[in-house]
Amino acid sequence: AQTVTQSQPEMSVQEAETVTLSCTYDTSESDYYLFWYKQPPSRQMILVIRQEAYKQQNATENRFSVNFQKAAKSFSLKISDSQLGDAAMYFCAYRSAKGQGGKLIFGQGTELSVKP
Amino acid sequence: DAGITQSPRHKVTETGTPVTLRCHQTENHRYMYWYRQDPGHGLRLIHYSYGVKDTDKGEVSDGYSVSRSKTEDFLLTLESATSSQTSVYFCAIHQGLTNYGYTFGSGTRLTVV
Repeated sequence: AQTVTQSQPEMSVQEAETVTLSCTYDTSESDYYLFWYKQPPSRQMILVIRQEAYKQQNATENRFSVNFQKAAKSFSLKISDSQLGDAAMYFCAYRSAKGQGGKLIFGQGTELSVKP
Repeated sequence: DAGITQSPRHKVTETGTPVTLRCHQTENHRYMYWYRQDPGHGLRLIHYSYGVKDTDKGEVSDGYSVSRSKTEDFLLTLESATSSQTSVYFCAIHQGLTNYGYTFGSGTRLTVV
């Protein structure tokens, strides 16, 4: 069975600085998708970025980018120029590419605080 | 997201009572999921559905049942609520295409006293 691990329960960053959130996963599959979700205090789950395992190029969405290391099964999220609105819980998630309705498997989450 | 709504948003219930949470979607998506969120555990899958009357168990299904009689509605029932089921419950939908992410409801905070 696949597992996702986020080893940093809490992280803190100064406004305008850069922070990296870590995520590792375990799978025997070669084709899958990885996601980072943001959950602000409103509880809403917001998709931040996604990565296809077959793509070598790291995904980027504005200030958010990932470092995808397939061999190491690592999928970290880098937030550049951190803003107060980035403060939230961040979840890493895995989804198998087999079938159409694959289940999302989540990590434990990392609570990010941003200091002004 | 306006395409998926959960009700109620908050609920307090007593141990031993039945509770039903509702998830309603207007997107006509085939796949629907129920997750629970607990500190230190992230989101864990309870049950999911891949079509009307087609459901299956997730990793934490004990004590829960589901029903899907229409494409748009996915109900989660706690037959006899226990304090360990105090949690935030999320519904999610997925259109079934490759790498598209899921759309989540706003969650239901359930407290069992």
